[in-house]
Amino acid sequence: GAVVSQHPSRVICKSGTSVKIECRSLDFQATTMFWYRQFPKKSLMLMATSNEGSKATYEQGVEKDKFLINHASLTLSTLTVTSAHPEDSSFYICSARRNSYEQYFGPGTRLTVT
Amino acid sequence: SQQGEEDPQALSIQEGENATMNCSYKTSINNLQWYRQNSGRGLVHLILIRSNEREKHSGRLRVTLDTSKKSSSLLITASRAADTASYFCATDAGGGSEKLVFGKGMKLTVNP
Repeated sequence: GAVVSQHPSRVICKSGTSVKIECRSLDFQATTMFWYRQFPKKSLMLMATSNEGSKATYEQGVEKDKFLINHASLTLSTLTVTSAHPEDSSFYICSARRNSYEQYFGPGTRLTVT
Repeated sequence: SQQGEEDPQALSIQEGENATMNCSYKTSINNLQWYRQNSGRGLVHLILIRSNEREKHSGRLRVTLDTSKKSSSLLITASRAADTASYFCATDAGGGSEKLVFGKGMKLTVNP
């Protein structure tokens, strides 16, 4: 099956710093990637849709200046959490769309902001 | 309102028993998908059922879809301890956006 990786898997940072999370599709090209956020024991909430070569589309209530998304190539999208605060601590998951129906999910990144 | 709401949110069964998880949604869909998530991990795609399909099988998994009731169920037969995980249904948002809207999920515990 298709493989999507995320790096790092875990990150701890101090308040006020920025953190970059990478999402890579390893064996297929993905024109569209998605970024989700998941709180403990909760479901996934879509944050934004990342399109290669164009600006990301953010869901309502998600601050685009807070969560910067760059989809620089067909295999890489990055999410940068800027000026992180403890309330940004969460599990961030990306997915890459392989075709019209299939999305493949990365293993997630646990962000802890102290 | 949230699409894809599973009910109940936690289910505990014995190994060998069947597990049924239900999902309801509120808008028209192109397809509905079920995913599995082990604790602290990413999601694994289990099965996709299209809006014109009523039932689909994959190994020990059986999915049904009732578009008139806007509901789906996932049946895991002959459960195993390794099936312990959280299960989510997700519906596409339609309109060509290919966004998935996830339900609340259900934690399944299969006791050996």
